[in-house]
Amino acid sequence: DTEVTQTPKHLVMGMTNKKSLKCEQHMGHRAMYWYKQKAKKPPELMFVYSYEKLSINESVPSRFSPECPNSSLLNLHLHALQPEDSALYLCASSQALTATYEQYFGPGTRLTVT
Amino acid sequence: QKEVEQNSGPLSVPEGAIASLNCTYSDRGSQSFFWYRQYSGKSPELIMSIYSNGDKEDGRFTAQLNKASQYVSLLIRDSQPSDSATYLCAPLKAAGNKLTFGGGTRVLVKP
Repeated sequence: DTEVTQTPKHLVMGMTNKKSLKCEQHMGHRAMYWYKQKAKKPPELMFVYSYEKLSINESVPSRFSPECPNSSLLNLHLHALQPEDSALYLCASSQALTATYEQYFGPGTRLTVT
Repeated sequence: QKEVEQNSGPLSVPEGAIASLNCTYSDRGSQSFFWYRQYSGKSPELIMSIYSNGDKEDGRFTAQLNKASQYVSLLIRDSQPSDSATYLCAPLKAAGNKLTFGGGTRVLVKP
């Protein structure tokens, strides 16, 4: 089973709101990722967690705040977003952060900032 | 020069024919290569991984890798209308083990 789940599927928020995206996997994977994908563009890496510690932050604005409460869960806290942050937010996981492990994506959360 | 180059397409293929997708990459240190299929409005789905030079077959899909030429390809045999999607080539960068995606090739399989 290579299932990664994400909630909610859709989210509409105002620029002053605070919201969170949730990602969960039960495959025993120890690396988890957040990507952002704009229409007709490839996914862009935002954050990587390895063994529940932040390993990579791709210079993402502080209005995006990741959190990894345990090895199965990954959250992305959103605050004071801009309309240009509207996109598909994808979570992925892999067995570990090494070269031979495949990344599996969740279904994504489609975010609209108004 | 982009890190990963793919022809954006659309690549129009008759049903039952072979679709051939190409990808070149710039990071000579990349050792792992992945192909993802993405339907419109959906998330990427892993369909092939390849780590060694040569061919790797899985069902109707064959991935080919030539590290010396920094080239990876995907063949889809007996193409079906359900194969109509965007195919993303994704080498894993040596530094940081990060996936770098090409822009994707859109494939249209016509009945």
